[in-house]
Amino acid sequence: NAGVTQTPKFQVLKTGQSMTLQCAQDMNHEYMSWYRQDPGMGLRLIHYSVGAGITDQGEVPNGYNVSRSTTEDFPLRLLSAAPSQTSVYFCASRPTSGSWGDTGELFFGEGSRLTVL
Amino acid sequence: AQTVTQSQPEMSVQEAETVTLSCTYDTSESDYYLFWYKQPPSRQMILVIRQEAYKQQNATENRFSVNFQKAAKSFSLKISDSQLGDAAMYFCVLEGAITGNQFYFGTGTSLTVIP
Repeated sequence: NAGVTQTPKFQVLKTGQSMTLQCAQDMNHEYMSWYRQDPGMGLRLIHYSVGAGITDQGEVPNGYNVSRSTTEDFPLRLLSAAPSQTSVYFCASRPTSGSWGDTGELFFGEGSRLTVL
Repeated sequence: AQTVTQSQPEMSVQEAETVTLSCTYDTSESDYYLFWYKQPPSRQMILVIRQEAYKQQNATENRFSVNFQKAAKSFSLKISDSQLGDAAMYFCVLEGAITGNQFYFGTGTSLTVIP
């Protein structure tokens, strides 16, 4: 099983450029999410989705857009990259739409390291 | 607001010994889940153990166990018989029942296992 696949694994951008980080999962998970990991700060939630057509903001959504047109894919878009968005980005999914009492394990991708110059 | 605090940026343990990683949290919710995730050098995040707040019994998974003190809002992880493969960054994570689907991570504890 591929699990959660993120592409690209590494990317260098110039300030003001746009790009999309791709995330795909083949486990039919309803819930998908994006995190950024910065030194000394742990992981912080950017956006999440509980199903196709549904997205919501996390702790640090500014500067990022998401959409969820299919169950499998949850791309993260940077419309105008800034040096403050230099980070490692993780996509994670789990097999629940949020029914309490059925909380499941998060399955993570391998991460995408983004550098904005 | 929900916060998770890990006050030990780095810890070390001799192989085969026991180590305890600390975590405290704050939440206004009465129902929530707590997790420990492991991130080895490969960067892949892996679930170690989870605890439901409404369960008084501490969770155990093989060599990993937790000490959950709800009143003190403390959730420590004990690793017994430490192995070289346990070397990793460990994150304490909170998910509230009301906020649901939003996970709050601590800053992590880097564990070194000394042969």
